[in-house]
Amino acid sequence: AQSVTQLGSHVSVSEGALVLLRCNYSSSVPPYLFWYVQYPNQGLQLLLKYTTGATLVKGINGFEAEFKKSETSFHLTKPSAHMSDAAEYFCAVSDRRSGGYQKVTFGIGTKLQVIP
Amino acid sequence: GAGVSQSPRYKVAKRGQDVALRCDPISGHVSLFWYQQALGQGPEFLTYFQNEAQLDKSGLPSDRFFAERPEGSVSTLKIQRTQQEDSAVYLCASSPGPSYNSPLHFGNGTRLTVT
Repeated sequence: AQSVTQLGSHVSVSEGALVLLRCNYSSSVPPYLFWYVQYPNQGLQLLLKYTTGATLVKGINGFEAEFKKSETSFHLTKPSAHMSDAAEYFCAVSDRRSGGYQKVTFGIGTKLQVIP
Repeated sequence: GAGVSQSPRYKVAKRGQDVALRCDPISGHVSLFWYQQALGQGPEFLTYFQNEAQLDKSGLPSDRFFAERPEGSVSTLKIQRTQQEDSAVYLCASSPGPSYNSPLHFGNGTRLTVT
């Protein structure tokens, strides 16, 4: 069964500093990986996804993530944090089921705090 | 162009009461998922529908939980004889097809508090 591990349930960065949120995955087949963001009292919104091809994936709001098979990692980065980036971020992996549908497994989330 | 809509937004139930949570997916979306998000945790899979067919209910925690999508659009998650451990945010998500790399579109969730 696939799983993801997010290192650090809370991360604080200064405004303008680099954002690095860590995610490691476990999957018996080539994984499909996602990062979702959740703002307070809202549902999850897709930031970016990796399926096949280029291992550096760019998403919305200046975020990007790199798929590293050798390290089983899919860390999320942003060069310069903005106050509006304060939210909870979830790494997720998708498993292809025999019926052809996906079953997405989420990590426990990392709350990002941006300090002015 | 509306997104996934869930109602009610908040629900308080006394232990032992039955509740029904509604999800209106994006029009035309084939796939519909229910997730449970406990405080401080990531969403946990409950069940999956492809059109009106419930293809996976492996995540439903007990037989008190029941979900349906009779016409392949609106879905209802019903919890009978609610318990305190059922307190969580229940998220509904839809996607255009069953494709395994198709992103999920989430609603804002229903926060259930069982007292």
